[in-house]
Amino acid sequence: QQQVKQSPQSLIVQKGGISIINCAYENTAFDYFPWYQQFPGKGPALLIAIRPDVSEKKEGRFTISFNKSAKQFSLHIMDSQPGDSATYFCAASSRDYKLSFGAGTTVTVRA
Amino acid sequence: DTEVTQTPKHLVMGMTNKKSLKCEQHMGHRAMYWYKQKAKKPPELMFVYSYEKLSINESVPSRFSPECPNSSLLNLHLHALQPEDSALYLCASSQGERREQYFGPGTRLTVT
Repeated sequence: QQQVKQSPQSLIVQKGGISIINCAYENTAFDYFPWYQQFPGKGPALLIAIRPDVSEKKEGRFTISFNKSAKQFSLHIMDSQPGDSATYFCAASSRDYKLSFGAGTTVTVRA
Repeated sequence: DTEVTQTPKHLVMGMTNKKSLKCEQHMGHRAMYWYKQKAKKPPELMFVYSYEKLSINESVPSRFSPECPNSSLLNLHLHALQPEDSALYLCASSQGERREQYFGPGTRLTVT
């Protein structure tokens, strides 16, 4: 069964807008939460990651918010640009080499 | 440098062929991974090598055979594949079991 639930499946945002992708998990052993960005025909690229001892992490226009009690985390893309159009995967991991991926969100940024 | 390289970029093979996929990293990472990704789906873990030893095999059919010749190289030997094995095959590496995984660009495999 899917251990990380990701929504929405797809979203369209205007240039300059905010894209928000949400993920939820059940396994309390998860303690590392990365986000990957993937363009068509390319491998996933690590975008940003967070550990549960912080509630928010920001890198440029990308911010992860983490709610440990709700077992939820989200990616915010501020000032979305057409170059951000890609598929985004959230993931979660414990101490076992395995990444549990969400189903993915296709983001389309309209100019 | 966080680069993982994979060759070839594309591969078309018949069901009776034998071929190999190659992956290389020079980041000093001690864990290397093979993933399979179908269109519009997340990557699925196939194998994990840790310190050049096979650590995880996610019940992958024996027609896929991994090999780790040294700490920088990872191969995936393919034999008697089925058309449903057509996918993007991704290699990744990480410093350890809890660290960031860096993916290569993948090999697009088509089985005819």
